[in-house]
Amino acid sequence: GAGVSQSPSNKVTEKGKDVELRCDPISGHTALYWYRQSLGQGLEFLIYFQGNSAPDKSGLPSDRFSAERTGGSVSTLTIQRTQQEDSAVYLCASSLDYQSTDTQYFGPGTRLTVL
Amino acid sequence: DAKTTQPPSMDCAEGRAANLPCNHSTISGNEYVYWYRQIHSQGPQYIIHGLKNNETNEMASLIITEDRKSSTLILPHATLRDTAVYYCIVENNFNKFYFGSGTKLNVKP
Repeated sequence: GAGVSQSPSNKVTEKGKDVELRCDPISGHTALYWYRQSLGQGLEFLIYFQGNSAPDKSGLPSDRFSAERTGGSVSTLTIQRTQQEDSAVYLCASSLDYQSTDTQYFGPGTRLTVL
Repeated sequence: DAKTTQPPSMDCAEGRAANLPCNHSTISGNEYVYWYRQIHSQGPQYIIHGLKNNETNEMASLIITEDRKSSTLILPHATLRDTAVYYCIVENNFNKFYFGSGTKLNVKP
């Protein structure tokens, strides 16, 4: 079946512009996660959704970052007034439910470059 | 949160077993050990997970010490396609699910 998809695959933007990154989870998966990976770094957890709800947003790097999920499916990660340090690969994952034993399936990521 | 410590890199000869260690000395009783890998330019791929018993699947085996303070991921017959960064994660609260820097496994012909 279809896996997690993300769009765009690559995004180049100018400093100060807003960007939206999209994630389509696997159909039927209620939990959705956003991570980012900066060059040479490990994955950094940003936020998760259980259904349309994000119980804890403390992992978001700053108030320029926001995320929403509608209809228990598609999620959008928005970065306002982008900065060069926002350049990274943004990865989305989904799992059947929000349980520690549920495997997370990752999308291919969106590579964001802020000039 | 239980943090993990992994060597930054390891080499393995093709066809040999690759044994990737992970220390997680502060693990709690209800925290699982997960292993993912990331092949260059791709998203992370789930490999295996366990709580306290050793686990085996079609990809790998996971050996967890009796005190659960460390574990070893075993790829029984490494191939060139197994070259990747391998992440050991310990967490039961996805609010703070952090991968760390992982081990870069270089499988050599």
